[in-house]
Amino acid sequence: GEDVEQSLFLSVREGDSSVINCTYTDSSSTYLYWYKQEPGAGLQLLTYIFSNMDMKQDQRLTVLLNKKDKHLSLRIADTQTGDSAIYFCAESFGGSQGNLIFGKGTKLSVKP
Amino acid sequence: DVKVTQSSRYLVKRTGEKVFLECVQDMDHENMFWYRQDPGLGLRLIYFSYDVKMKEKGDIPEGYSVSREKKERFSLILESASTNQTSMYLCASNTAGQVVVGGYTFGSGTRLTVV
Repeated sequence: GEDVEQSLFLSVREGDSSVINCTYTDSSSTYLYWYKQEPGAGLQLLTYIFSNMDMKQDQRLTVLLNKKDKHLSLRIADTQTGDSAIYFCAESFGGSQGNLIFGKGTKLSVKP
Repeated sequence: DVKVTQSSRYLVKRTGEKVFLECVQDMDHENMFWYRQDPGLGLRLIYFSYDVKMKEKGDIPEGYSVSREKKERFSLILESASTNQTSMYLCASNTAGQVVVGGYTFGSGTRLTVV
């Protein structure tokens, strides 16, 4: 069945770049998403990429998509302590009903 | 600003109690979802609903039921709460037929502790 895999933890120093990786299984996914969850809060949509794109950049965020390898990554440039959170990768499936499959989340810790 | 509101941020209940978790959205979304989130397990789908009075089981429906009497409200019911239902519960919604541009909108979560 559908599955989304991502590593559980990542630790970086303030000012460095962070790269969070994700692999997915459904090659028919139309959109792929990155959500951010700050401590004690719900998930917020951070960015998304349409499946016919290779890259999307939004200020400090860069999303790279390799459809052949079913690999998605989120790069955060100049990582700040406020970027400390759990980041979830998600893929869409199931046609127009719009169901999402989420990864288990990567906890990003930013050290000063 | 679009919103999904969960009625309680924190809840403490006793084993065996019937527990209601409420979720309300103001975006006229057709689809609503209930997840639980546990460390190391990520988000697990409990139930979802595509329309009023419609419900579908997710991956872990055992011990839960849901109610969708009005489009804007989706309730999760723990028939007889147990300690293994201690968790963070997240409600989400989106529009059907949108092929999920923009994904889901999530509530802030309810942290339920069953003692």
